[in-house]
Amino acid sequence: DAGVIQSPRHEVTEMGQEVTLRCKPISGHDYLFWYRQTMMRGLELLIYFNNNVPIDDSGMPEDRFSAKMPNASFSTLKIQPSEPRDSAVYFCASSGTGGGYGYTFGSGTRLTVV
Amino acid sequence: AQSVTQLDSHVSVSEGTPVLLRCNYSSSYSPSLFWYVQHPNKGLQLLLKYTSAATLVKGINGFEAEFKKSETSFHLTKPSAHMSDAAEYFCVVSRNDMRFGAGTRLTVKP
Repeated sequence: DAGVIQSPRHEVTEMGQEVTLRCKPISGHDYLFWYRQTMMRGLELLIYFNNNVPIDDSGMPEDRFSAKMPNASFSTLKIQPSEPRDSAVYFCASSGTGGGYGYTFGSGTRLTVV
Repeated sequence: AQSVTQLDSHVSVSEGTPVLLRCNYSSSYSPSLFWYVQHPNKGLQLLLKYTSAATLVKGINGFEAEFKKSETSFHLTKPSAHMSDAAEYFCVVSRNDMRFGAGTRLTVKP
């Protein structure tokens, strides 16, 4: 198995532009999670899905952020418009049993908004 | 509600000496607990997990952790540190989602 695949690995964009981060979970996993990591705030859970349905989006910082999971093998996290304070590493993770047995994380997308 | 507190933001040890990274948890039900490691500019790797089986859990790279319900602790230990252990370590509590501690940066001196 190729693991959780995130793209792009690095993204540099100008303030105000739309940014789309992508994630392909491990086949057969029915939970998908988006995390953001910054020096100031550590690892924050943004949103998670179960069977493609958003379960908890209380961590999404504001309306500029949105996430979708159109099918079991693909999810996107979109920021529109982007701001410099959105600069962070964004991780996607998937699990076959919710949180009970741990997640497999992708390598992350390092986003820089200038 | 569930949360974890990592008691040390930074731990420094000499190579070959024991490692102790401390974690206390708070959970209103029997928790699943994990330790993850993150090397610089890398993703997160699962070290070990506790899911209500044996209270002493062995993980990869010689790490282990002991679940102590009376102390609400899940400290991570290793008998002898190696230079390659230098990384950020996260204690995690979970039910359906995973809540990360703030992390402990482990430095290993030669």
